[in-house]
Amino acid sequence: SQQGEEDPQALSIQEGENATMNCSYKTSINNLQWYRQNSGRGLVHLILIRSNEREKHSGRLRVTLDTSKKSSSLLITASRAADTASYFCATSPRSNDYKLSFGAGTTVTVRA
Amino acid sequence: DGGITQSPKYLFRKEGQNVTLSCEQNLNHDAMYWYRQDPGQGLRLIYYSQIVNDFQKGDIAEGYSVSREKKESFPLTVTSAQKNPTAFYLCASRGAQYQETQYFGPGTRLLVL
Repeated sequence: SQQGEEDPQALSIQEGENATMNCSYKTSINNLQWYRQNSGRGLVHLILIRSNEREKHSGRLRVTLDTSKKSSSLLITASRAADTASYFCATSPRSNDYKLSFGAGTTVTVRA
Repeated sequence: DGGITQSPKYLFRKEGQNVTLSCEQNLNHDAMYWYRQDPGQGLRLIYYSQIVNDFQKGDIAEGYSVSREKKESFPLTVTSAQKNPTAFYLCASRGAQYQETQYFGPGTRLLVL
């Protein structure tokens, strides 16, 4: 079942601007991951944040996690045309069977 | 190059036909997964395997079958019982027991003639 829901569904920004997308989920989790998918391609792992972490950075990416609100956000700073893609959050439930539940994704378009 | 390969890139299925999608990995990963992605939607889990000769149904296993005879291979068969097979199919693998990141192949797009 799909646990995560991303918001917004689509986002269009100018190159150099920041892009923020949110993910909400329903049940307790071990960790939450963000993946990127370029059109017609497989997914690429971006970042993982554990349930006991509140914020994590990786290059131009910043992820926050609020377990009390069951939500996460992904911020891409100083966006580039190459950031144009769909972004998915995936949650790993506490049952610890290593299955991931994916949301429907946010499609980001970065205009040159 | 280490990674996951899926073949073919495009596959056409005729009415009543079974087709098999290939997934191979040379990452020495124990766990492998099959997902289905429909337009504008996230990934839904079809089957997964944590170890050779063992696999479990995911959320949408009906109309699909898998085998895991070798560590590096996890083929997916879309049977004639799957009435709406048109989708993008993604294979993924995961490494050591406590490693949670999944690595994805490039996908196979299945179309019905």
